[in-house]
Amino acid sequence: GAVVSQHPSWVICKSGTSVKIECRSLDFQATTMFWYRQFPKQSLMLMATSNEGSKATYEQGVEKDKFLINHASLTLSTLTVTSAHPEDSSFYICSAPLGGANQPQHFGDGTRLSIL
Amino acid sequence: QKEVEQNSGPLSVPEGAIASLNCTYSDRGSQSFFWYRQYSGKSPELIMFIYSNGDKEDGRFTAQLNKASQYVSLLIRDSQPSDSATYLCAVVLYNNNDMRFGAGTRLTVKP
Repeated sequence: GAVVSQHPSWVICKSGTSVKIECRSLDFQATTMFWYRQFPKQSLMLMATSNEGSKATYEQGVEKDKFLINHASLTLSTLTVTSAHPEDSSFYICSAPLGGANQPQHFGDGTRLSIL
Repeated sequence: QKEVEQNSGPLSVPEGAIASLNCTYSDRGSQSFFWYRQYSGKSPELIMFIYSNGDKEDGRFTAQLNKASQYVSLLIRDSQPSDSATYLCAVVLYNNNDMRFGAGTRLTVKP
């Protein structure tokens, strides 16, 4: 069964709306979670590393004020896309390692975000 | 040089054949290597992981690792049309423990 739950699966909203995506680890604690973005027919791109109890680490070129990450508990990380615009439309996926950093990452089912 | 490189394909094999997927990485200190399968419109799912040089077999899948050559591969025996997907190679970097993904190889298994 799924070890990482991501919600919602689909979001369609108007330009300017802020959208929150949740990522939960099921039956295990995740001090670190990862957020990826994938555009159609392109590779998975790491956006940021979410750290429980501290600030997220963003990859170069990812706007931290645009993509707000909160990791308030050991089982939940949230990504908020603020004032979303059509160019933010993408497939957003979270993951968490079941164990240490060298362990496999398990992915949520992803969130398909469409901004009109 | 990219941290993880894969041939984007597409790779096409007939049903029942062996599909061979290759990946090279730049970080010589990397110790952990993973293969994920991603169907169109879905998130990646773990197929195999390998930490030691040599071969690791799991059912129809075999992962091969050669750290000296910085090369990791995935063999799929008796390929099935349901194996048609994009296969992502992932490597954990030694210096910061970040996982980096290759661009993926698209595999098509023709009936």
